[in-house]
Formats: sequence, structure tokens, C-alpha cells
Amino acid sequence: EFQLLESGGGLVQPGGSLRLSCVASGFTFSTYAMAWVRQAPGKGLEWVSAIGGRTTGTRYAESVKGRFTISRDNSKNTLYLQMDSLRVEDTGIYYCAKGGLGFAYDPWGQGTLVTVSS
Amino acid sequence: DIHMTQSPSTLSASVGDRVTITCRASQSINSWLAWYQQKPGKAPKVLIYKVSSPESGVPSRFSGSGSGTEFTLTISSLQPDDFATYYCQQYDSYPFTFGPGTTVDIK
Repeated sequence: EFQLLESGGGLVQPGGSLRLSCVASGFTFSTYAMAWVRQAPGKGLEWVSAIGGRTTGTRYAESVKGRFTISRDNSKNTLYLQMDSLRVEDTGIYYCAKGGLGFAYDPWGQGTLVTVSS
Repeated sequence: DIHMTQSPSTLSASVGDRVTITCRASQSINSWLAWYQQKPGKAPKVLIYKVSSPESGVPSRFSGSGSGTEFTLTISSLQPDDFATYYCQQYDSYPFTFGPGTTVDIK
């Protein structure tokens, strides 16, 4: 069974940093593109960032470009999202998901809550 | 960027009703269109991928159709478990974009 488990969320002040992790199991992690999607409280889904499988090419939403960095460690089956210069508007649940060009997002992790507040 | 719209934003329906949600893309997305269901406090779950292919285990009452820039999700006979929010997403080109969502609630 494919499974994704996020961690690393929490409360941080504006301007601060957090690193999210997503551990994958049940599939050959290194062969799949992965992504982060977020959801502000009471709002819809917003695509944040994606990374290729073996090629590790990266993509970012304009709203996070230059502040967030996506990476992966295929030896640990783990996806990361380093979030710097956090803003209040970055608050929300962050989900990791397996998928990419030509592949819908499936599965999704359970999400980890990031709260940016003073 | 490809902009996705959905209509309606909210839909009130009864058990047994046929429900249709429309999704439009601002440009062609070459059939790379998925539908997701999200229930309160839960992660989204894919229902349909590549416009009309059902994900394994998805009830047959869910179907997708469309082409070019206009797509629909149909629930043939609404069940109590189907009251949720539905999102379309294009995964043809980055940045991948989601529609704003359609909430199906009880009439």
C-alpha cells in the first residue's frame, strides 16, 4: 500500500524557517516525481512545488519562489520542503503527494499544519 | 499559467440526485485533468484521472468527461458518503493548478 507521512509543521514567527519532511513507503520512491500542495484555513488547494524522480528537476509556485526549497533523499525515501522567510500567508496544511507531469496526485499524505504568527 | 474555474461553487442536492460539476481550463490541457474529493479534516483523494479514468476502488457512480478546455464530473446517484468538496486539477504543465472547488452539501 502506498503511504506518505508528513512531519515538521508547527508555529513559527514571520521571517522564520521550518523544514517539512515526507516519508514514503510502499513504492519505489526514487522513480516518482513528488510534490507539495498547501491549503490555507477554509480555502482551496494551492500547488506549491514539485521535484522529479531521478532527475531531481524542481519547480515552484511564484508565491514561494526564492523562499522555499524542495529536495529529496532517495536513500531515505524522504521528500523535504525547506521554508525560509515565512509569511503569515504561508499558514496552512501542507500535503505531500506522489505525481507529476502526466500523473495525477496519488496518494496524498495526511498533512502537517504550519502556522506563521507573531 | 493555466487558470482553472469550476461551477457551481456550492451545490445543494439530495440523496439519489444526479449531480454535475463543470471545470474549465484557460487553455488546452491535453486531457491531463484529474478530479479530487476532499472531506473535512482529510487529505484529498483522487477520483478520476486523465479526464475519464476512474481510480481503482472509486464507485462507478462517479464519471468524468470532456475535452479541450471543458470538463465535467458526474455523480449518477448521490450517496450520503459523497457530501464533500470536489476539485479539478490540470497536470499538463507547471505550475499545476487546481480549480477553486465545488462543495456538495445536503439540500
